[in-house]
Amino acid sequence: AQTVTQSQPEMSVQEAETVTLSCTYDTSESDYYLFWYKQPPSRQMILVIRQEAYKQQNATENRFSVNFQKAAKSFSLKISDSQLGDAAMYFCAYSIRAGGTSYGKLTFGQGTILTVHP
Amino acid sequence: NAGVTQTPKFQVLKTGQSMTLQCAQDMNHNSMYWYRQDPGMGLRLIYYSASEGTTDKGEVPNGYNVSRLNKREFSLRLESAAPSQTSVYFCASRLGGKTNEQFFGPGTRLTVL
Repeated sequence: AQTVTQSQPEMSVQEAETVTLSCTYDTSESDYYLFWYKQPPSRQMILVIRQEAYKQQNATENRFSVNFQKAAKSFSLKISDSQLGDAAMYFCAYSIRAGGTSYGKLTFGQGTILTVHP
Repeated sequence: NAGVTQTPKFQVLKTGQSMTLQCAQDMNHNSMYWYRQDPGMGLRLIYYSASEGTTDKGEVPNGYNVSRLNKREFSLRLESAAPSQTSVYFCASRLGGKTNEQFFGPGTRLTVL
């Protein structure tokens, strides 16, 4: 079974600085997706960034980027120029590439609470 | 275009009571999912429906039943609520095929006393 581990229950960062959230996963599959979701106090789950395992290039979305190390099964999220609005719970998630019997089911990590200090 | 909607947003039940959580999506998605979120455990899959007319168990299905009423709606029923079912419940949907991105509803906070 696939597992996702986020070893940092809480992280903090000063506004305008950079922070990196860690995620490791375990799978025997070779074709899969990795995601970072943001959950602000409103509880809404918001997709931040997505990485396809067959792509070697790290995904970026504005101030958010990932460091995807497939051999090490590591998938960290870097937030640059942190803003107060980045404060939230962040979840790392894994999904086998949809098709067959996987049906795109997500496996989540435990979450990391990010605090941004002004 | 409302995306994924869930009702109710909050609910308090007594042990042994039953209730149904409703979920609907207007994106013409094929697959729908129910997750529960508990502190320190992330989100865990309860049940999913790969397409209209099919449902299957996820990681934590005990104590729950689901119905895929039509392509838009996917409900979650607690027949006899227990305090261990106190949680935040999320519904999500996915277009289907090779698409993996899931879109989430706003969640329902359920407390069982």
